Amino acid sequence: DTGVSQNPRHKITKRGQNVTFRCDPISEHNRLYWYRQTLGQGPEFLTYFQNEAQLEKSRLLSDRFSAERPKGSFSTLEIQRTEQGDSAMYLCASSLVGGAANEQFFGPGTRLTVL
Amino acid sequence: ELKVEQNPLFLSMQEEKNYTIYCNYSTTSDRLYWYRQDPGKSLESLFVLLSNGAVKQEGRLMASLDTKARLSTLHITAAVHDLSATYFCAVGGSGGSNYKLTFGKGTLLTVNP
Repeated sequence: DTGVSQNPRHKITKRGQNVTFRCDPISEHNRLYWYRQTLGQGPEFLTYFQNEAQLEKSRLLSDRFSAERPKGSFSTLEIQRTEQGDSAMYLCASSLVGGAANEQFFGPGTRLTVL
Repeated sequence: ELKVEQNPLFLSMQEEKNYTIYCNYSTTSDRLYWYRQDPGKSLESLFVLLSNGAVKQEGRLMASLDTKARLSTLHITAAVHDLSATYFCAVGGSGGSNYKLTFGKGTLLTVNP
């Protein structure tokens, strides 16, 4: 399968714990995005990388959130001291710089439940 | 700040009927995307519209873009049950923010026999 992959697919954690999600983009894609989707809403942009550089962070991304893409390939999103309001689907997408459409391809998502 | 509004948010259709979903956005953009999402699943890209007057069709779905009116439509022809899903439009940012997608709230489409 050459699509975007995310792990884990589901994560249940207790409030106050730290969690980390992983995203593997489509192999030749140099842009990687994280979005968050809550029930009944569209995805909201969190951050994006071009190669290993994190070029924008949304104001939705509090200081408890950190994302990395150390070698310009896979990315991790860590949430520290989770809160119940962090419960959501976290979606990763990738795209190719230079494509006229900048079409973003989404992974299956990680559903986080904070108890 | 770019805002994207979809309507209707809920649409219950009978099979074989036609209907249109509307997507309005607040600031200039020349990139508009339609995605489909099945329950508990991720987003599947349906259409990419890049210019004023662009029209794309796939099966029973047809999407169009009017950049002057800041409006895109997704037209469903002779609906079938398999089209039941949530449909999102997303608008690409302009200038230095052209990588960022801003999504509407989605339209939950239910096609009834």
